[in-house]
Amino acid sequence: DAKTTQPNSMESNEEEPVHLPCNHSTISGTDYIHWYRQLPSQGPEYVIHGLTSNVNNRMASLAIAEDRKSSTLILHRATLRDAAVYYCIPPGGSGGGADGLTFGKGTHLIIQP
Amino acid sequence: DAGVTQSPTHLIKTRGQQVTLRCSPKSGHDTVSWYQQALGQGPQFIFQYYEEEERQRGNFPDRFSGHQFPNYSSELNVNALLLGDSALYLCASSLGRRRLTNYGYTFGSGTRLTVV
Repeated sequence: DAKTTQPNSMESNEEEPVHLPCNHSTISGTDYIHWYRQLPSQGPEYVIHGLTSNVNNRMASLAIAEDRKSSTLILHRATLRDAAVYYCIPPGGSGGGADGLTFGKGTHLIIQP
Repeated sequence: DAGVTQSPTHLIKTRGQQVTLRCSPKSGHDTVSWYQQALGQGPQFIFQYYEEEERQRGNFPDRFSGHQFPNYSSELNVNALLLGDSALYLCASSLGRRRLTNYGYTFGSGTRLTVV
């Protein structure tokens, strides 16, 4: 199975940028790197995904290293509503095959007002 | 437009019993996946249903089974419940299988199962 390494927690101030790092210990095929986040008492929410180059959407930006062994999720101006657990989903899927998402423990992002 | 709907929201069962959880996918989605999330952990993939068949399965015993109906809704069944099955069970839907499309998944808010 693909494995990821993320900090257990990070803290930031409101309206400041946040960079959430992720290391992917294994790379397989040409599958995408996905990021999800989970707000309290909710299911995970899709944030962004990318393959080899940097990606932007209304929620965040994703910077992917050239060797695809790491990626960084960038929240340009964090708000209190961005406080959540952020999961980096590596390429290659879970133990059952490429369709399942492999969640680690994620990074608990704390936003200070 | 309703997202993924799961029922019930909470459930308490006794060890050894059987339970059925239900999921209605987001409108326009045809694929349903199920995940188990223990307290303080990330979700773990159970299996995925597409075209009414189980297509992929994670490392879960045969006590966990499922079904997908022609309207794309799905059920998760767990037999012979153990205390360790207590968790949040999440349903995720998508249009097509991830391996084929790489689209994002839409998750429901889950069913909190407590086994006593």
